[in-house]
Formats: sequence, structure tokens, C-alpha cells
Amino acid sequence: GAGVSQSPRYKVAKRGQDVALRCDPISGHVSLFWYQQALGQGPEFLTYFQNEAQLDKSGLPSDRFFAERPEGSVSTLKIQRTQQEDSAVYLCASSRGTAFNGYTFGSGTRLTVV
Amino acid sequence: GDSVTQMEGPVTLSEEAFLTINCTYTATGYPSLFWYVQYPGEGLQLLLKATKADDKGSNKGFEATYRKETTSFHLEKGSVQVSDSAVYFCAPINDYKLSFGAGTTVTVRA
Repeated sequence: GAGVSQSPRYKVAKRGQDVALRCDPISGHVSLFWYQQALGQGPEFLTYFQNEAQLDKSGLPSDRFFAERPEGSVSTLKIQRTQQEDSAVYLCASSRGTAFNGYTFGSGTRLTVV
Repeated sequence: GDSVTQMEGPVTLSEEAFLTINCTYTATGYPSLFWYVQYPGEGLQLLLKATKADDKGSNKGFEATYRKETTSFHLEKGSVQVSDSAVYFCAPINDYKLSFGAGTTVTVRA
């Protein structure tokens, strides 16, 4: 596609519920990233994929967070047993190869845990 | 890890005023440097970048120069418009990981 597509745009979850957030990167982009942006803050790195391989998951805040990209294109970020502190905008980004020229972000999924 | 200190906002300006947003960073080695912009209700967009010392990035009338000696990458625009109202983020990149500052909210009034 023309840009990075994320769905849903908004998600309200009850505390304890599991959620799945989808990211469709730009076609042909090898690298895919997830970031978490809390209200009023800058985005923080969660995880990085190169094709289907998850090369860095050091930013995932707990073992309730899990990301996958099984066929090297679409990626899913799953959060189990959501907590209020998980409320944030989750941003996905992709780049063609190395990220030295920056990467293209999607519009994000705003997750609110009530 | 890398870190960024950005000028605190919010910043409110009149149209055609001069805008400066200060950014200093700490990083390992000599990272590429970026400014991203987030317009209301939208995702992050790459505004400009610089990949080595003394490089000047520019786009849409905005400029920033990579200053290795002061580890700074200040954003400037000579004459702002209402449409420049947004949140601006400075970010160095280490390999593949961007480290964002807290962002500076800019509001331009007609």
C-alpha cells in the first residue's frame, strides 16, 4: 500500500481483556517497528523485525506483550490481560532496509483500558 | 542509550514569526538525526534529517544543522504559518532505534 496502515484506529478494552493490534507495512519494506506513545510523551521503542525475524524485543514492557510477523509482512502486537498503564497510542513503522534514512509511521492505534 | 533534551513547550507564536526549537542529544558515536512532526490527529511524519556533522536538513521552510561539537540539532523556520501548528520531535537513531524527546507543542495564531 501507499502508507503504513494500522487497525483498529481506536480500541477500548476492559481491564484484563486481551487485545490484538494490526500493522500493514508499506509493500516491500523489510524492517518493521513498534513504538508506544503515552499521552504527552515521545514514542518509545518496543520491538523490531527484519522480515519475519524479531531481532530486538528489548522495549516490550512485560511478558504480557507479544509481537509477531509470521510471513514478513503484516505484524500483530498482542497485549494480554490489559492494565490501565497500557493505555497509549501504539505506532507501527516500516523502512525499506536500514533505517538510517528514517522510517514511515502509521497513524497509530489509540488503546484505552478502562 | 541515546537520549534527547528538547525545548519545553508549549510555544505560541503569531503568523510570520521566527521559530526555534532547541534540541541536544547524547549518543554513542555519530548518529543520524531527525525531526519528526505530528499534526493534530495524525501520525508522525519525517520532517527533515541530517546524517553527518555539519549537514543541514531542510524541508517545508524548516532547517536544522547537525552540530557535532555541541551535540545539537536545533530546528528553525523563518516565517511560520498557522498550518505549522503541531508537535515536533527531535530524535537521533542508533542502528535502527529512534530515541525521541518529549516533543514540543507549537501553536501558531493568525
